[in-house]
Amino acid sequence: KQEVTQIPAALSVPEGENLVLNCSFTDSAIYNLQWFRQDPGKGLTSLLLIQSSQREQTSGRLNASLDKSSGRSTLYIAASQPGDSATYLCAFFNTNAGKSTFGDGTTLTVKP
Amino acid sequence: GAVVSQHPSRVICKSGTSVKIECRSLDFQATTMFWYRQFPKQSLMLMATSNEGSKATYEQGVEKDKFLINHASLTLSTLTVASAHPEDSSFYICSASRASSYNEQFFGPGTRLTVL
Repeated sequence: KQEVTQIPAALSVPEGENLVLNCSFTDSAIYNLQWFRQDPGKGLTSLLLIQSSQREQTSGRLNASLDKSSGRSTLYIAASQPGDSATYLCAFFNTNAGKSTFGDGTTLTVKP
Repeated sequence: GAVVSQHPSRVICKSGTSVKIECRSLDFQATTMFWYRQFPKQSLMLMATSNEGSKATYEQGVEKDKFLINHASLTLSTLTVASAHPEDSSFYICSASRASSYNEQFFGPGTRLTVL
């Protein structure tokens, strides 16, 4: 059974700082990985998708990596802004079985 | 592209009533749709997976007679919470995937259900 852990649960940084969010998992079988952000009371916004055969994806100030050997994924946010404040979730999707496992999220606060 | 909508966005109902939530893929055909539930300060939990024209597959612990899922077309899935009770109050989110996108899921905005 896949278990996904996100550490830390909460993070507060000053504006402009580069930061890394961590996601660890126990099962490196065929999975796609997605990083999402969720604003309070809102749905999910997909940030990056890393397919099972890939190791990294970049979009603007965001970079996500996937290392199956170590069971880790990281989301790197460059030059953080107050608008980045949200909860960030990583999720693994078993493409064969349609199963998914979400982490509990990291709540990020970027202070002006 | 790949927009998923949900309706309603918020619903408040009395205990014992049934509530229907719609999930639509607006600009693509969704071969598979997923329904999730999220309790406050908790992560999403998959409730069921549905493929168009077939019965939904429910996760362990989810009552299929309580949470009725109909995936009638490639753009519409509905979740009906039958005889809702206060413990069913939650945030319900659907997602949809299309065969051509390596099973990437696109999420709807969610529906906040409050049962009084």
